[in-house]
Amino acid sequence: AQTVTQSQPEMSVQEAETVTLSCTYDTSESDYYLFWYKQPPSRQMILVIRQEAYKQQNATENRFSVNFQKAAKSFSLKISDSQLGDAAMYFCAYRNQGAQKLVFGQGTRLTINP
Amino acid sequence: KAGVTQTPRYLIKTRGQQVTLSCSPISGHRSVSWYQQTPGQGLQFLFEYFSETQRNKGNFPGRFSGRQFSNSRSEMNVSTLELGDSALYLCASSLGVAGYYEQYFGPGTRLTVT
Repeated sequence: AQTVTQSQPEMSVQEAETVTLSCTYDTSESDYYLFWYKQPPSRQMILVIRQEAYKQQNATENRFSVNFQKAAKSFSLKISDSQLGDAAMYFCAYRNQGAQKLVFGQGTRLTINP
Repeated sequence: KAGVTQTPRYLIKTRGQQVTLSCSPISGHRSVSWYQQTPGQGLQFLFEYFSETQRNKGNFPGRFSGRQFSNSRSEMNVSTLELGDSALYLCASSLGVAGYYEQYFGPGTRLTVT
């Protein structure tokens, strides 16, 4: 079974600075997808960024980028120019090819200090 | 296009009762997945439905059941409620079952069991 581990329960960063959230996963599959989701206090789960395992190039979405290390099974999220609106729980998630089931990590609570 | 809707948003039940939660996917989406979110266990996969068929089921007791209708709307039912069933129940929809299809989450139903 696949597992996802987020080793940082909480992180904080000063507004406008950069922060990196860590995620490792375990799978025997070679084709899969990785995601970072954001869950603000409203509890609505929002997709931040996705990475296809077959793509070597790291995904980027505006201020959000990932460092995908397939051999190391590592998938970290970098948030640049942190904004107050980035404060939320961040979940790393894994999904097999051919399935919709998401396996989530335990989450990292990100605080932005003004 | 309207997003995923879940009803009711909040629910309070007593131990031993049963409850039915509803999820209406985005128009045109045929796949619906359910997740349970608790502080202790995090986000756990419950079920996945596509075209009225359950494709995948998480590791939950038989008290948890679900179904999907011909219009893709889905319901989940929990019988003989226990205190530990108190959770946020999230529904997500996507166009299809392949891993590359994006999942969109609803706002969730907060269930409290007293």
